[in-house]
Amino acid sequence: AQSVTQPDIHITVSEGASLELRCNYSYGATPYLFWYVQSPGQGLQLLLKYFSGDTLVQGIKGFEAEFKRSQSSFNLRKPSVHWSDAAEYFCAVGATGGLKTIFGAGTRLFVKA
Amino acid sequence: GAGVSQTPSNKVTEKGKYVELRCDPISGHTALYWYRQSLGQGPEFLIYFQGTGAADDSGLPNDRFFAVRPEGSVSTLKIQRTERGDSAVYLCASSLGTRETDTQYFGPGTRLTVL
Repeated sequence: AQSVTQPDIHITVSEGASLELRCNYSYGATPYLFWYVQSPGQGLQLLLKYFSGDTLVQGIKGFEAEFKRSQSSFNLRKPSVHWSDAAEYFCAVGATGGLKTIFGAGTRLFVKA
Repeated sequence: GAGVSQTPSNKVTEKGKYVELRCDPISGHTALYWYRQSLGQGPEFLIYFQGTGAADDSGLPNDRFFAVRPEGSVSTLKIQRTERGDSAVYLCASSLGTRETDTQYFGPGTRLTVL
């Protein structure tokens, strides 16, 4: 069965510092992988997605993620964090042959001045 | 254009009552999804529709939960004999097509509180 693990419940980074949020997945075949962001009072928004091809994926708001099959990971990165990036981030995995999406428990990002 | 809308935004009910939660997808979107998000957790898949039919309802927790999409647009999630454990934010999403690569667009959610 598919599953997603986000090992960090919360992370605090200074504004302007780099960011990496971890995500590990479990799935037998090549998965579809997603990162979403959820800001207070707002709906989930897709940051980026990986299906195949280049393992480094660029997304919106300056985010990128790298798919590493050998580590079953899909970590999210940003070179310089802005205060407006403070939010909850969710990694998710989808299976081929269907539209069911499984989400991780999320990582809350705090940004300090 | 308009995004996914959900009504009501908040619903407070008493244990044992019946509730209906409504989702209006983006116009023209074929697929519609329901998720449940409990406090401190990620969204949990409940069901998705391709057109009018439920293509995968494996996430519905028990037979108290039921969802319909009779005309392939608006969907209603129905919960019978509500329990306190049903308290959560119920999220709806829609996507243009039915491929795994199609982006899901989420609504703001309905916060359900069962007293």
